[in-house]
Amino acid sequence: QKEVEQNSGPLSVPEGAIASLNCTYSDRVSQSFFWYRQYSGKSPELIMSIYSNGDKEDGRFTAQLNKASQYVSLLIRDSQPSDSATYLCAVSGSGNTGKLIFGQGTTLQVKP
Amino acid sequence: GAVVSQHPSWVICKSGTSVKIECRSLDFQATTMFWYRQFPKQSLMLMATSNEGSKATYEQGVEKDKFLINHASLTLSTLTVTSAHPEDSSFYICSASLAGVGDTQYFGPGTRLTVL
Repeated sequence: QKEVEQNSGPLSVPEGAIASLNCTYSDRVSQSFFWYRQYSGKSPELIMSIYSNGDKEDGRFTAQLNKASQYVSLLIRDSQPSDSATYLCAVSGSGNTGKLIFGQGTTLQVKP
Repeated sequence: GAVVSQHPSWVICKSGTSVKIECRSLDFQATTMFWYRQFPKQSLMLMATSNEGSKATYEQGVEKDKFLINHASLTLSTLTVTSAHPEDSSFYICSASLAGVGDTQYFGPGTRLTVL
């Protein structure tokens, strides 16, 4: 059983729409949650981190965390073609290793 | 802030040779650095966790004698692929965590290795 699960997509949305990316995780003791964006051929870049239940907004991005449901999501408002990328959900591993457990990523396509 | 560099960005080598990849945290001290490998259209695969001044911890299935990791300072970790073979061709990416700032990892730009 995968520890962090994401729908691989592709998720296709029209320009200007809201893109909703979802992630579930299996380890109830996880405390830190991250969303990374990875363009094709490039390394991941951090978009947002979230540690507490609820919403966290940063510009066009909103991360949502529900620890009871073991669910974290990323909303992208006013999606742009430049948002087309693979979005990786990452969850802190058990113990104090600093390791992150990554999902397989969801490919987002924003069509003009 | 939180910039991580890697060198080289790409390398082509002959089978049987060794290749060293450097990972540097440019504007912060990194207590922990991580090395990942990514094959085309696949997700990141953690290879090892590296702490300054101590031996790296390798993930299951990763040959520690083939992938040598040295973390000599709080800003530099190196990965050496020894006796490289074509199947080692991949995208190698390092990341670094800020000391005392939890689990956030900042990634370097990656090194694309091609073994002929």
